[in-house]
Amino acid sequence: GESVGLHLPTLSVQEGDNSIINCAYSNSASDYFIWYKQESGKGPQFIIDIRSNMDKRQGQRVTVLLNKTVKHLSLQIAATQPGDSAVYFCAERTSYQKVTFGIGTKLQVIP
Amino acid sequence: GAVVSQHPSRVICKSGTSVKIECRSLDFQATTMFWYRQFPKQSLMLMATSNEGSKATYEQGVEKDKFLINHASLTLSTLTVTSAHPEDSSFYICSANNNYGYTFGSGTRLTVV
Repeated sequence: GESVGLHLPTLSVQEGDNSIINCAYSNSASDYFIWYKQESGKGPQFIIDIRSNMDKRQGQRVTVLLNKTVKHLSLQIAATQPGDSAVYFCAERTSYQKVTFGIGTKLQVIP
Repeated sequence: GAVVSQHPSRVICKSGTSVKIECRSLDFQATTMFWYRQFPKQSLMLMATSNEGSKATYEQGVEKDKFLINHASLTLSTLTVTSAHPEDSSFYICSANNNYGYTFGSGTRLTVV
């Protein structure tokens, strides 16, 4: 849904630690989920995706977990680096290819 | 990989004028493109789905007469903000689906003065 008037939640992590960003999605019929990274003034950048018939997928330094029972998605970033500082959005494909975005989380990496 | 080019990156216009934003798929064909709007410190809100050769599909609450979408070719969709007002100032982003997933443009910062 749209978070009009709210500031993005912020997660502060020490450099080198692991980060976990959580997301609750809204549509139980969504079949495909994506995590995006957005840096200030830029468009979203694809990080990792997962289909609804999976519960875990790993990429380079990133892992996405999907719990369809509670409609929850998480992104784990291993050994967080300063370059990981950005806003992270989960997105779900709802119908006819449409992708809708969650609220977003700002990740701040402390050197 | 798939590339989506969006222009202009920034535009300032006077209240009451119209502004056109272009979204091009550079190395793939896109029968469907999507337009989003993002206000500061908020998420991306889907405005409309642009369909090549047919009318766009608008999300609830989005004025189709104000946000004109044209998708005349398989590589180009345009969004025209008509009679722009300061409240239309926002970050507009396009997206297209392809073999690599959903690729986004770099966005257009519109400021209406």
